[in-house]
Amino acid sequence: GAVVSQHPSWVICKSGTSVKIECRSLDFQATTMFWYRQFPKQSLMLMATSNEGSKATYEQGVEKDKFLINHASLTLSTLTVTSAHPEDSSFYICSAGPGENEKLFFGSGTQLSVL
Amino acid sequence: AQTVTQSQPEMSVQEAETVTLSCTYDTSESDYYLFWYKQPPSRQMILVIRQEAYKQQNATENRFSVNFQKAAKSFSLKISDSQLGDAAMYFCALYNQGGKLIFGQGTELSVKP
Repeated sequence: GAVVSQHPSWVICKSGTSVKIECRSLDFQATTMFWYRQFPKQSLMLMATSNEGSKATYEQGVEKDKFLINHASLTLSTLTVTSAHPEDSSFYICSAGPGENEKLFFGSGTQLSVL
Repeated sequence: AQTVTQSQPEMSVQEAETVTLSCTYDTSESDYYLFWYKQPPSRQMILVIRQEAYKQQNATENRFSVNFQKAAKSFSLKISDSQLGDAAMYFCALYNQGGKLIFGQGTELSVKP
């Protein structure tokens, strides 16, 4: 099956710094990538949808300037959390597709802790 | 707007028994896909089963099957012969090509030995 690699798995940063999370499709070309945020015991909340070569579409309530998404190639999308604050601490997951049979594949997630 | 609703926050099943998880959805699209994902404590999202909206036949994957009622916009997951390893959070999801992948609230399934 298709593989989506997400790095880093864990990141701890100081308040005010920026953190970049990478999502790579390793064996297929992902025209679309989704970025989600998940709090403990809750569902995946869609933050934005990015299509290769175009600007990301953000969900209502998601700050575009805080969560910068870049999808410059068919295999790589990045999420940069700028000027991170403790309330940005969360689990972030990416999904890429469409792969074989229109399937969507997930990265393993990134746990961000902002001190 | 697309919405997905899972009305069962928690479910419990005895090992080897059968359990059904409920999901309803709403979309104005005619062409879409429905999924059930499993999320164990590792938090890795695992695809359990997939259904294309244009197919009338219910999808089946080994012990997992769905009851897809398009008119009622219902998409339930049946797990037969439940195993301890089935314990996890289960999410129903809706996707239309070129659109969004939206998740329900999730159902936490516990399996009793």
